This record gives sequence, structure tokens and C-alpha cells, in this order.
Amino acid sequence: QKEVEQDPGPLSVPEGAIVSLNCTYSNSAFQYFMWYRQYSRKGPELLMYTYSSGNKEDGRFTAQVDKSSKYISLFIRDSQPSDSATYLCASSNQAGTALIFGKGTTLSVSS
Amino acid sequence: EAQVTQNPRYLITVTGKKLTVTCSQNMNHEYMSWYRQDPGLGLRQIYYSMNVEVTDKGDVPEGYKVSRKEKRNFPLILESPSPNQTSLYFCASSPKPNLQYFGPGTRLLVL
Repeated sequence: QKEVEQDPGPLSVPEGAIVSLNCTYSNSAFQYFMWYRQYSRKGPELLMYTYSSGNKEDGRFTAQVDKSSKYISLFIRDSQPSDSATYLCASSNQAGTALIFGKGTTLSVSS
Repeated sequence: EAQVTQNPRYLITVTGKKLTVTCSQNMNHEYMSWYRQDPGLGLRQIYYSMNVEVTDKGDVPEGYKVSRKEKRNFPLILESPSPNQTSLYFCASSPKPNLQYFGPGTRLLVL
């Protein structure tokens, strides 16, 4: 069983929609949870970073971690065409030596 | 500009011909790592380095070598490339393991 599971999509939404991207993980030792955004033919860029449980907000983006259910979420408000990309969730243990990625969800926002 | 650079960006080679992909970062980060990204398999860690002269295996180290002789550089070496090493390779660096900043990628084709 892969340690981080992510629905690959694709997910298509109209501009202005609220987008919910989700991952589940299986390793209880994971303490750090990240979301990366990857545009076509580019390297992943760090979008959000959360330690342990809770919410973190940055502009239109909100990252949420529920350790009791091992569920990771990223919400995008007022989605824009420029948000069209592949979103990767990632988790790691306290030491951070093993960063495990989900396979990514491809999002398309149409104007 | 703070960045991770990789060279070459594109490479076509033949089976068995040794090659090196260079990675350099100008952010004085201690932690560096290499990943490969394949369709349906996502990003998988090949090797990582916590500091100069300290390297360790990731999830898929077979067929690869690395060295970390100086802080800024972390080359990936394929001693005898095979077609199953055709992939998109990313180098990453970070001040601590969880917050990794990725390079632009190297697309490798082994014939």
C-alpha cells in the first residue's frame, strides 16, 4: 500500500469555483504535510506547509490536516485559470528524511 | 536569484554510456535530494544528502550514484544507464528536509 494516496483526477472547474483537493496517508509517524504545485514542464513548487494537525491559510489557499482520519486537504477559493496545474501532496516523518509524494491531481480551471 | 539549477535539461543517450546530471544550489542549503518522476508512479526519491559527505538511499536508488563533496553541488551519476531509467529527474534543496525547493528538471531518454 502506497503511503500517500491521491486521486489523480483530472478535475475541471469553472473560474471562481471553490476547489477541494484531498489525500490520505497511512503512516502514523508522518508529522509534516506539504502541498506542491507543478505546472507543465516545470519543477514542483512548494505551496503550503503544515506541521501536525490543523489549518493554515495563505491568500486563496487553505491547507487542512486531520491526523485522526489521516486526511490532508487543500482548498482553493475563487479559482483562477492560472491555478490550472498538477497538485501534489506530500508527507514526511519528524526527521524529514523520507518525503513521500502522492501521484498528483491535475486541475483545470476554465474561464 | 535563489535557485536550483540542473544540467543538462534534456539528454538522449544509449544503454551503458555513463552520464552525470549536475545539480547546484546557491541558497547555502544543507539538505539536497534527487527524485525521478514517472507517469502513474509520481515522484520517487532516489538519494538524499543531509550535508557534505553525508548521503543516503531513498526509495529507488538502484542504478544510481551520488556524491556531495561540496555544499552547493549534488551530482547524480548513472554508471551504466538502462532504458528503465528513462524519466524526468528533479534535484531539490532545502534548509531543512521537509521544505524542498525543486530544480527545473532533466528529461532523460535512454535508448
